[in-house]
Amino acid sequence: NAGVTQTPKFQVLKTGQSMTLQCAQDMNHEYMSWYRQDPGMGLRLIHYSVGAGITDQGEVPNGYNVSRSTTEDFPLRLLSAAPSQTSVYFCASSYSTGRDGYTFGSGTRLTVV
Amino acid sequence: RKEVEQDPGPFNVPEGATVAFNCTYSNSASQSFFWYRQDCRKEPKLLMSVYSSGNEDGRFTAQLNRASQYISLLIRDSKLSDSATYLCVVTNAGNMLTFGGGTRLMVKP
Repeated sequence: NAGVTQTPKFQVLKTGQSMTLQCAQDMNHEYMSWYRQDPGMGLRLIHYSVGAGITDQGEVPNGYNVSRSTTEDFPLRLLSAAPSQTSVYFCASSYSTGRDGYTFGSGTRLTVV
Repeated sequence: RKEVEQDPGPFNVPEGATVAFNCTYSNSASQSFFWYRQDCRKEPKLLMSVYSSGNEDGRFTAQLNRASQYISLLIRDSKLSDSATYLCVVTNAGNMLTFGGGTRLMVKP
């Protein structure tokens, strides 16, 4: 099993550009979520999904969109990149019971200049 | 006040030492509790789940005190490879994770 796969691993964007961070899992997990990690701030929840067709906002959703058309995929779209969105982004997934914790992807390092 | 609080450290300990990390959480409705390990520039990885009865995995022991809203992690016989950041994590009713800021451990020869 590949687990949780994120692409790309690194990206540099210019202010105002848009892009999509890809996330796919092959574990048939119902729950998927996106986090960003900034120095001194820990990991913060951006958006999450409890199943195909269902998404909701987390702690820091502004500037980001998500969709969940399949169980496997949960892309994160940056609508108009800003320097404040420079961060490391992690996608994670879990079973709905939650007792086994979440599995994380290896992350995308995004720099907005 | 942060929902999950940890001492950021760093904890600098010699090989073979025993070290303990603590974590407090503010939401009494939190349902599941975990310790994750994160190496520099890597993704968090599940170290162990935490139960009220306490659980042990080799050199690692985790404990949950629901009354005090307190979680602990004990590492015995520290190895150089234990050097990492340890994240205290809780979930709410919606199974969403809330992370503490992490405690950095450095094990030295």
